[in-house]
Amino acid sequence: AQSVSQHNHHVILSEAASLELGCNYSYGGTVNLFWYVQYPGQHLQLLLKYFSGDPLVKGIKGFEAEFIKSKFSFNLRKPSVQWSDTAEYFCAVRGATNKLIFGTGTLLAVQP
Amino acid sequence: NAGVTQTPKFRVLKTGQSMTLLCAQDMNHEYMYWYRQDPGMGLRLIHYSVGEGTTAKGEVPDGYNVSRLKKQNFLLGLESAAPSQTSVYFCASSPPPLDGYTEAFFGQGTRLTVV
Repeated sequence: AQSVSQHNHHVILSEAASLELGCNYSYGGTVNLFWYVQYPGQHLQLLLKYFSGDPLVKGIKGFEAEFIKSKFSFNLRKPSVQWSDTAEYFCAVRGATNKLIFGTGTLLAVQP
Repeated sequence: NAGVTQTPKFRVLKTGQSMTLLCAQDMNHEYMYWYRQDPGMGLRLIHYSVGEGTTAKGEVPDGYNVSRLKKQNFLLGLESAAPSQTSVYFCASSPPPLDGYTEAFFGQGTRLTVV
């Protein structure tokens, strides 16, 4: 069955610290991978996506993610976080079944 | 463009009552999804549709029904609401992966409380 696992449930960082959020998926076929962000009180917005080509994907607001097929991973990174990055981050995967499945999310709190 | 619009934004139901949540998209997307969001559990897929007239079960379909009579609308129904269905419901739509544009666009959410 298709599933997504996010290992970090709650992350607290100081401004300018580096960020890496883990995401592993379970699906044997070709996948599309996504990271979404949800700011407090708002709906989900796309940060970045991968569906083919270069496994290092760059998104908005300085975020990037690397697809490592052998590890079934799609970790999100940012070299230097800002207070405005405080939000909840969701990894998602879509396989051939067309289901778009999300992980349980990671709450990021950035302290000024 | 309005994008994805959910109606209503808030609702309080009594146990056993029924209601329908409406999702409308104006982007001519084939795929539509209904999720519920609960603290610590992320977004869980309830039902989804890959085209007009089609529906399929997601991860947590029990207690919900859906219909996709028109391409732009995806309705989520609760026949007999239960307190366990208290949640925030999100609708999303996307083009099919064949087009390469696989991003899903989300509505603003519906906060439902069942008392």
